[in-house]
Amino acid sequence: GAVVSQHPSRVICKSGTSVKIECRSLDFQATTMFWYRQFPKQSLMLMATSNEGSKATYEQGVEKDKFLINHASLTLSTLTVTSAHPEDSSFYICSARRTGPTNEKLFFGSGTQLSVL
Amino acid sequence: GQSLEQPSEVTAVEGAIVQINCTYQTSGFYGLSWYQQHDGGAPTFLSYNALDGLEETGRFSSFLSRSDSYGYLLLQELQMKDSASYFCAVRNSGNTPLVFGKGTRLSVIA
Repeated sequence: GAVVSQHPSRVICKSGTSVKIECRSLDFQATTMFWYRQFPKQSLMLMATSNEGSKATYEQGVEKDKFLINHASLTLSTLTVTSAHPEDSSFYICSARRTGPTNEKLFFGSGTQLSVL
Repeated sequence: GQSLEQPSEVTAVEGAIVQINCTYQTSGFYGLSWYQQHDGGAPTFLSYNALDGLEETGRFSSFLSRSDSYGYLLLQELQMKDSASYFCAVRNSGNTPLVFGKGTRLSVIA
């Protein structure tokens, strides 16, 4: 099946630093990727839709200057949490939609647990 | 916008059958999906219903009634490994992202 790789799986950083999270589709081209945020025992909250070659679409309440998204190729999207603060600590998960007959199925990365000290 | 309602927790005995309900409100409708997520892991796709009726995949089945804005996930012959969170999700249209419910935490006990 299709695989989405996400790195790093866990990161601990100091307040004020920036953290970059990578999401790669390994065996298919993903024109659209999605970034979700999840707090413990809660649902996945959509942060933004990443479109290859164009600007990301952010959900209401998500600061685009805080969470920079770049989708420079059909297999890679990155999320950079700029000037991270403790309240940004969360589980971040990317997903990709495979175009074609299986486009109703989202493939998820393994997630990144961000801890900001 | 969209909203989905599902029970927060369900407990069932190993070998039994459990049904997780989901009701939704959405301005458009492009199918109901179900995802499973184990603690600390990524969500994995279970099923998708675009039309009314029952879809069966092994021990798991999913049902949709569009007129009732309702669906459910049915898990049969429960195993301990089925203990996880289960999310229903909908989309407004073919080009909009999935919106997830709050999830149902299933605990399978011996």
